[in-house]
Amino acid sequence: RKEVEQDPGPFNVPEGATVAFNCTYSNSASQSFFWYRQDCRKEPKLLMSVYSSGNEDGRFTAQLNRASQYISLLIRDSKLSDSATYLCVLASGSYQLTFGKGTKLSVIP
Amino acid sequence: NAGVMQNPRHLVRRRGQEARLRCSPMKGHSHVYWYRQLPEEGLKFMVYLQKENIIDESGMPKERFSAEFPKEGPSILRIQQVVRGDSAAYFCASSPPRDRGSSYNEQFFGPGTRLTVL
Repeated sequence: RKEVEQDPGPFNVPEGATVAFNCTYSNSASQSFFWYRQDCRKEPKLLMSVYSSGNEDGRFTAQLNRASQYISLLIRDSKLSDSATYLCVLASGSYQLTFGKGTKLSVIP
Repeated sequence: NAGVMQNPRHLVRRRGQEARLRCSPMKGHSHVYWYRQLPEEGLKFMVYLQKENIIDESGMPKERFSAEFPKEGPSILRIQQVVRGDSAAYFCASSPPRDRGSSYNEQFFGPGTRLTVL
């Protein structure tokens, strides 16, 4: 089983739609969880951290289920500028990040 | 405050040549990390350095790859005798001195160097 698994997509959604991405991980010792965004041929940028209690940042909501080793990201009211690849990322210690391959999102006018 | 800087942004080498990738961390950051992203793959951790010290090189290939972060100047990732399989995007990240109250030290990524081996 891969350390971090994501549906590669692509997810093609119209503007204004709600879209959800899921991620599963195999290392139960993982301590910190994140969603990063990576635009084509650019560096990854931190979108938000993920907590068991769930957290929300504007149109973005992230959720962690430690028992199921599952992470989710919900994007409401999709914008064209949300088009990117969304990376599920784990940290097992203070520095080593483990990245998923990413889920590609295309928001269509 | 400039972000993490990497150069060159694009590098083309022929098989057998050497590639040198440079990374200047953000001001005030003393920790540097190198990651490699092969085509259609996720980023993979390679090495973690502090000034003049390699802390963790568990992700580095055993041969041809080396990294350093000297007292003065940028961090260097060096690939000797490059092969086609080395073609990838190489990202550097940096983080500030560790906050003892935090389990994770946020890393800030540079724009990457895209290496193409002909």
